Amino acid sequence: DVVLTQSPLSLPVTLGQPASISCSSSQSLLHSDGNTHLSWLQQRPGQSPRRLIYRISNRDSGVPDRFSGSGSGSDFTLQITRVEAEDVGVYYCMQGTHWPPTFGPGTKLEIK
Amino acid sequence: EVQLVESGGGLVQPGGSLRLSCAGTGFSFSDHYIDWVRQAPGGGLEWVGRVKHRPTNYVTEYAASVRGRFTISRDDSKYSAYLQMYNLKTDDTAVYYCADIGAGYWGQGTAVTVSS
Repeated sequence: DVVLTQSPLSLPVTLGQPASISCSSSQSLLHSDGNTHLSWLQQRPGQSPRRLIYRISNRDSGVPDRFSGSGSGSDFTLQITRVEAEDVGVYYCMQGTHWPPTFGPGTKLEIK
Repeated sequence: EVQLVESGGGLVQPGGSLRLSCAGTGFSFSDHYIDWVRQAPGGGLEWVGRVKHRPTNYVTEYAASVRGRFTISRDDSKYSAYLQMYNLKTDDTAVYYCADIGAGYWGQGTAVTVSS
């Protein structure tokens, strides 16, 4: 199975400051269909996961533009330009290129 | 509005069985794959399995950890999918989510506790 590694695992951030989470894959996530099926999910405390970003850099409907994704091959990044209180939670990267789908261990974002 | 609503969770003894249901509304349910993903207490996300749509003849796929014990099915006439779990182990204790991870749809989850 493809292993996704995230760093950092814990991310204390001051309100209004930027934040960045890295996700590294044990294999390239470039699919034979030409797409890279790497997504980012947010899980707020007590809630179910919500997808923020799909195919590396595409924001889902309703996701604030302070969230952005980048990367290629096996290295990816989720960036938040200015962290807000509602961004507290755990962030997961997820790959759907190789079977079975796998998730990173999660990065817990908290406010300093 | 897309909604996936799980039901059927609860407390079950080791070796027991449980059937979870997932009802989908607000989208063309029959055109979508349905995944089951679980999250152990305080843990991360684990893909459990999937039932594909009619054009694939409803192919099912399972994670190695549940293959042979769990069965996924669907009834498009009822806009529903199901996760039948047999021979449950304490390690199966988790919140179970139905989802279409490709489309980014997630339910709110239903908790399963396997304990004597």
